[in-house]
Amino acid sequence: DSGVTQTPKHLITATGQRVTLRCSPRSGDLSVYWYQQSLDQGLQFLIQYYNGEERAKGNILERFSAQQFPDLHSELNLSSLELGDSALYFCASTHSGRALGSTDTQYFGPGTRLTVL
Amino acid sequence: AQKVTQAQTEISVVEKEDVTLDCVYETRDTTYYLFWYKQPPSGELVFLIRRNSFDEQNEISGRYSWNFQKSTSSFNFTITASQVVDSAVYFCALSEATSGTYKYIFGTGTRLKVLA
Repeated sequence: DSGVTQTPKHLITATGQRVTLRCSPRSGDLSVYWYQQSLDQGLQFLIQYYNGEERAKGNILERFSAQQFPDLHSELNLSSLELGDSALYFCASTHSGRALGSTDTQYFGPGTRLTVL
Repeated sequence: AQKVTQAQTEISVVEKEDVTLDCVYETRDTTYYLFWYKQPPSGELVFLIRRNSFDEQNEISGRYSWNFQKSTSSFNFTITASQVVDSAVYFCALSEATSGTYKYIFGTGTRLKVLA
């Protein structure tokens, strides 16, 4: 158990809908990272937050947004969903806030599997 | 352009054999970071290592070792005396920052099967 929790584990929804994925980092970790893994695109880094502030941005679509709250949990909002958004969404946490270059180990959550029908 | 190539799609070895997973990268930046991740059949992602472009020291962690060679733009991963539990998909990744914009690219992964 990495200590990172993600909810829900599975989510099935329809095209055009909006969903929110939630991630709670390990206790004491200040950075949260979001990744997407799909059959078409492979693994992609989406975004990193550190202590409530956006720190690094990757291939995140404009239809997607994220935020990190004062209690350090993070939410990834996906809107106007398309079939191609079906994927496994992982979050990870580290203690450090250095953008992607932290020497800290990244601890991953179990992922949320999103299916868009 | 930034690129990560893991040319080996799938490798099968017999337990106790050594195996090397190749990773070749392309970048124009002088400052960049390289990563390896493991994804076992259960699906979770496990972070293995991060290296910055200024540190070419090889690293060893138990049965795992990494060979970083800037001259050949490679960051290869060797598992010594492989075990069935090493069966997984392994991803190499590259990150760099250009004018404050971060790019983070994963390779397509190498599936390692270790047979008993």
